[in-house]
Amino acid sequence: RKEVEQDPGPFNVPEGATVAFNCTYSNSASQSFFWYRQDCRKEPKLLMSVYSSGNEDGRFTAQLNRASQYISLLIRDSKLSDSATYLCVVNTPLSDTGRRALTFGSGTRLQVQP
Amino acid sequence: DGGITQSPKYLFRKEGQNVTLSCEQNLNHDAMYWYRQDPGQGLRLIYYSQIVNDFQKGDIAEGYSVSREKKESFPLTVTSAQKNPTAFYLCASSISLSTNQPQHFGDGTRLSIL
Repeated sequence: RKEVEQDPGPFNVPEGATVAFNCTYSNSASQSFFWYRQDCRKEPKLLMSVYSSGNEDGRFTAQLNRASQYISLLIRDSKLSDSATYLCVVNTPLSDTGRRALTFGSGTRLQVQP
Repeated sequence: DGGITQSPKYLFRKEGQNVTLSCEQNLNHDAMYWYRQDPGQGLRLIYYSQIVNDFQKGDIAEGYSVSREKKESFPLTVTSAQKNPTAFYLCASSISLSTNQPQHFGDGTRLSIL
């Protein structure tokens, strides 16, 4: 089983639609979680951190379910400019003291259509 | 502006040649990382560094080498031993390895074989 798993998509949605992505992680010791956005042939950019209580930033809402070990990203009122690949990222402590590793999912591709 | 600068943007390697990718950051971050991304794939960790004069192998270190002589700089050498070097290389930094803070990325170097 992969450490971080995402549905690769693509998710093809019309403008204005609401779309949700899920991501599952295998290590229950994982402590922090992020969603990054990556445009074609560009570097990943931090979209938002994911907090235990859930958090919202404008049209974007992130949720964490520790019991089921998944995180989600909800995008409301999709815009053409939301078309990108969304990477789920999990920060897990390593066995040696104090160090952590970020593990990246392979990404979910979103295509918003006019 | 604070950020991470990678150079060059595009690089071509001949058979048997070593090439070095530059990564400089002025964010005053202790931790720096190198990732490789292949088309349609997630990011894979090559090397990381917690602090000056310290670096550790990631998941796919074979055929690569790094140095960390200055806090700001973490160059990656792709050696002739790396038989499949064609990929998108991303450098990242974070405040430290032992926090839950996210990583920030440079805009990448595309390496191809001549």
